Amino acid sequence: DIQMTQSPSSLSASVGDRVTITCRASQGIRNDLGWYQQKPGKAPKRLIYAASSLQSGVPSRFSGSGSGTEFTLTITSLQPEDFATYYCLQHNSNPPTFGQGTKLEIK
Amino acid sequence: EVQLVESGGGLVQPGGSLRLSCAASGFTFSSYWMHWVRQVPGKGLVWVSRINSAGSSTSSVDSVKGRFTISRDNAKNTLYLQMSSLRVEDTGVYYCARGDRFDSWGQGTLVTVSS
Repeated sequence: DIQMTQSPSSLSASVGDRVTITCRASQGIRNDLGWYQQKPGKAPKRLIYAASSLQSGVPSRFSGSGSGTEFTLTITSLQPEDFATYYCLQHNSNPPTFGQGTKLEIK
Repeated sequence: EVQLVESGGGLVQPGGSLRLSCAASGFTFSSYWMHWVRQVPGKGLVWVSRINSAGSSTSSVDSVKGRFTISRDNAKNTLYLQMSSLRVEDTGVYYCARGDRFDSWGQGTLVTVSS
């Protein structure tokens, strides 16, 4: 199975900050990666697909990059509604695997 | 608008059975692979099982093989997860998700396995 190592596991930031979350795959997955935002009691919501494509309706302050084994999610100018938990997901090979999650908290 | 609505969760004793359903609308259900994903409250996401668009091919995580069966009824636009020989560690919120890129998710249904 492909292991997805996500870091950091938690992050404290302020409104207006820029933050970066990283996922590393244990083997190459091309760009078969998505990023998800999850708020308490809600389903995950996809933000980014194919590593760098912005999901329709998602604000442009969210961006993704990377290919192969290293991927990043960047949020510029954090807004109050962005404080949530973020997950990466690789779907290159079976089984699909998630990163452990990054909890983004207000400083 | 794509909608996925799970149902069938509840409290069940260890060794018991439960069938989850995921009703799909707003898209051509028969064209998409579908998945079940589990989340223990307060923990991360774990893929459980998937089925191809025709229902002819399935795959599951090792921990549920032989106990859980994923299936679908394309005429009813519904995905199922038949869960048997349930264990305490099967407890969690079960989400259905659409497509090989997991682009849309249902709201989840809570399964609690406890005596």
